[in-house]
Amino acid sequence: GAGVSQSPSNKVTEKGKDVELRCDPISGHTALYWYRQRLGQGLEFLIYFQGNSAPDKSGLPSDRFSAERTGESVSTLTIQRTQQEDSAVYLCASSPQTKLAHASTDTQYFGPGTRLTVL
Amino acid sequence: RKEVEQDPGPFNVPEGATVAFNCTYSNSASQSFFWYRQDCRKEPKLLMSVYSSGNEDGRFTAQLNRASQYISLLIRDSKLSDSATYLCVVNMGGGSYIPTFGRGTSLIVHP
Repeated sequence: GAGVSQSPSNKVTEKGKDVELRCDPISGHTALYWYRQRLGQGLEFLIYFQGNSAPDKSGLPSDRFSAERTGESVSTLTIQRTQQEDSAVYLCASSPQTKLAHASTDTQYFGPGTRLTVL
Repeated sequence: RKEVEQDPGPFNVPEGATVAFNCTYSNSASQSFFWYRQDCRKEPKLLMSVYSSGNEDGRFTAQLNRASQYISLLIRDSKLSDSATYLCVVNMGGGSYIPTFGRGTSLIVHP
């Protein structure tokens, strides 16, 4: 079946421009995560959605970053007034996460990422 | 202290060698544990979950030591294709739905 997809695969933008990154999770997966990975670094958690709600936005680096999810499906991560330090790979992952009241034991399935370069 | 710690390596081993990585975690209430593999410029992919009783998948063996709060990954008969970064992932439990990723351990298998 189809995995997690992300678009665009690559995005080059000028400093100060806004960008929108899209994630299509695996159908039926209720949990969706956004991460950032700078070159040679580990994964940095940004935001988590349970359904269309985002109970944890603690990882968003600044108010320039926002995300939404609709129809318990597609999610978009928006970065306003991009800065050079925003350059990174933005990874999306989804998980079935059927147990709402307990810590998830479900596997995360990652998309291929969007490589963002801010000039 | 970081929540999940790994030796970044790189571990540089010849083909056929046995290599082991450890990962320590700080929250004793952690409930689920995974090893992911990430190839260069690719997304992470699940390698295996780590169960309390330990588990084995071919050349790969994962162990959990709750008393000492670490998990391990053993790779036997290393192949060139095993070269990658291995990420330790811990779900902290206590209502947290956000797995915590370690920084990863780099493995290089050479001929």
